[in-house]
Amino acid sequence: NAGVTQTPKFRILKIGQSMTLQCTQDMNHNYMYWYRQDPGMGLKLIYYSVGAGITDKGEVPNGYNVSRSTTEDFPLRLELAAPSQTSVYFCASSTPDGRETQYFGPGTRLLVL
Amino acid sequence: QKEVEQDPGPLSVPEGAIVSLNCTYSNSAFQYFMWYRQYSRKGPELLMYTYSSGNKEDGRFTAQVDKSSKYISLFIRDSQPSDSATYLCAMSAGRGNYGGSQGNLIFGKGTKLSVKP
Repeated sequence: NAGVTQTPKFRILKIGQSMTLQCTQDMNHNYMYWYRQDPGMGLKLIYYSVGAGITDKGEVPNGYNVSRSTTEDFPLRLELAAPSQTSVYFCASSTPDGRETQYFGPGTRLLVL
Repeated sequence: QKEVEQDPGPLSVPEGAIVSLNCTYSNSAFQYFMWYRQYSRKGPELLMYTYSSGNKEDGRFTAQVDKSSKYISLFIRDSQPSDSATYLCAMSAGRGNYGGSQGNLIFGKGTKLSVKP
């Protein structure tokens, strides 16, 4: 199993541009998550999904959108990039077994200039 | 008061030392406790998992949870340079008790550990 994969690994955007961060998991996990990690600030939850067709906001959803059409994929959309969205983005997934343990992808580094 | 507090360090120890990493929390509903290890420019990886109070040991790593004090610890024995990483504590109330969002993990900010040869 590849686990959780993310593309791209690194991207530079200009202010106002849009992009989609891709996330795929092959573990048949129901739950998926998007986090951003800023230096010294820990992991902040952007959006999460408990299954295909179901998404909900996390702690810092402004400026982002998500969709979940399949169990495997959970893309994160940035519509109008701003410098404040410069960060490292991690996708994660977990099973609905009550343990709440999450498995993370390798991350996407985004720089908005 | 933040939900989860973790000293960011950095913490520097000599090889072979015993390392103690800690987190405190305020939400008494938390019952699932985890430690993640994150190497530089990598994603977090699950290191230890504990349900409710007690100890759990896995090789050189021991996780302790004291719910009465709202305090969790990770001990690393015989620390190695390969243990140099950022360690994040994470905890959850569990999705079944209070609704969906309560199952989401709350992370500490991470403690950066450096083990010197």
